[in-house]
Amino acid sequence: DIQMTQSPSSLSASVGDRVTITCQASQDISNYLNWYQQKPGKAPKLLIYDASNLETGVPSRFSGSGSGTDFTFTISSLQPEDIATYYCQQYDNLAYTFGQGTKLEIK
Amino acid sequence: EVQLVESGGGLVKPGGSLRLSCAASGFTFSSYSMNWVRQAPGKGLEWVSSISSSSSYIYYADSVKGRFTISRDNAKNSLYLQMNSLRAEDTAVYYCAREGKVGATDYWGQGTLVTVSS
Repeated sequence: DIQMTQSPSSLSASVGDRVTITCQASQDISNYLNWYQQKPGKAPKLLIYDASNLETGVPSRFSGSGSGTDFTFTISSLQPEDIATYYCQQYDNLAYTFGQGTKLEIK
Repeated sequence: EVQLVESGGGLVKPGGSLRLSCAASGFTFSSYSMNWVRQAPGKGLEWVSSISSSSSYIYYADSVKGRFTISRDNAKNSLYLQMNSLRAEDTAVYYCAREGKVGATDYWGQGTLVTVSS
């Protein structure tokens, strides 16, 4: 199975900061990588699909990049409502895999 | 409006069985692949199973293969997960999710809690 290594596991940043989360796949997954946001007590929400495509309705401060094994998720200017846990997820093979998650907090 | 409503969760003893249901509305259910994803208390997300729109393709995580069965009834706009031989480590909130794009789940239900404990 493909393993996804996400880092950091937690992150504290100030409003307005640029925030970056990385995700590394154990093998080449092309651009078959999505990013989700999950707020406490809520279901996850799709933010980015196919590594770099912004889901409809998602603010443009969110972006994704990468291909192969290394991927990056960025919030260009952190807002208070962005406090959540973020997950990467690969779908290259028939068994989807999520990263361990990154818990984002406000400093 | 797309809605996914899970039901069927509860407390079950180790070795027991449970059947989860997901009622879909607001979209053409028969056109989409569907997934079950679970989340143990305080833990991350774990994909459980996927089923294609016509049930032709079905996939499972290794952790549930041979114990769980995914199915759907397009006439009833419903998705199911039959869970047998349940273990303590199956304790989780189980989410039903629509695969709106290949490999990406764009709508999720609110989840149903399954607790496996004696």
